[in-house]
Amino acid sequence: KQEVTQIPAALSVPEGENLVLNCSFTDSAIYNLQWFRQDPGKGLTSLLLIQSSQREQTSGRLNASLDKSSGRSTLYIAASQPGDSATYLCAVRLTGGGSYIPTFGRGTSLIVHP
Amino acid sequence: DTGVSQDPRHKITKRGQNVTFRCDPISEHNRLYWYRQTLGQGPEFLTYFQNEAQLEKSRLLSDRFSAERPKGSFSTLEIQRTEQGDSAMYLCASSPPGNTEAFFGQGTRLTVV
Repeated sequence: KQEVTQIPAALSVPEGENLVLNCSFTDSAIYNLQWFRQDPGKGLTSLLLIQSSQREQTSGRLNASLDKSSGRSTLYIAASQPGDSATYLCAVRLTGGGSYIPTFGRGTSLIVHP
Repeated sequence: DTGVSQDPRHKITKRGQNVTFRCDPISEHNRLYWYRQTLGQGPEFLTYFQNEAQLEKSRLLSDRFSAERPKGSFSTLEIQRTEQGDSAMYLCASSPPGNTEAFFGQGTRLTVV
């Protein structure tokens, strides 16, 4: 069974800092990994999707990397802003079976204060 | 708005009542997922449809829960004889053919009193 762990569980930083959020998974036979953002009481917004053959993906101030062999992904947020405050979730899909059901971690709750 | 739509956004019900939630996926998305999320936790998988076929169900989906996706379009999730432990956010997601990127709705917040 795939287990996904996110560290740290919570993070509070001043505006402008560069951040690294970590996601680790136990089964390296993944199809892809997806990072999401969730605002309080809301649904999930997709940030980045990394296929198993890729090493990283970038979107604006966000960069996600993937190391399948070590079972890790990191989400790098450059020059953090108060509007980045949210919970960040990673989800992993395994190969095989055809259902590609995402398995989620518990998330990292981020607060960026002015 | 062409995103995943869920209805209602909020539901308060008394213990023992039945509730039904609806999810409208993005048009032509053949894969549809239901998840449950409690406070401070990540989403937990409940069930998966490919077109109208329910292909996987989690052990979390007790016999009080049932989901349908008639005609492979919208889906409904029904909870019978609700319990306080059913209080959670219920999330629906869909993915298009040939692409596993999941798009989530805004969720239905259920409170059982």
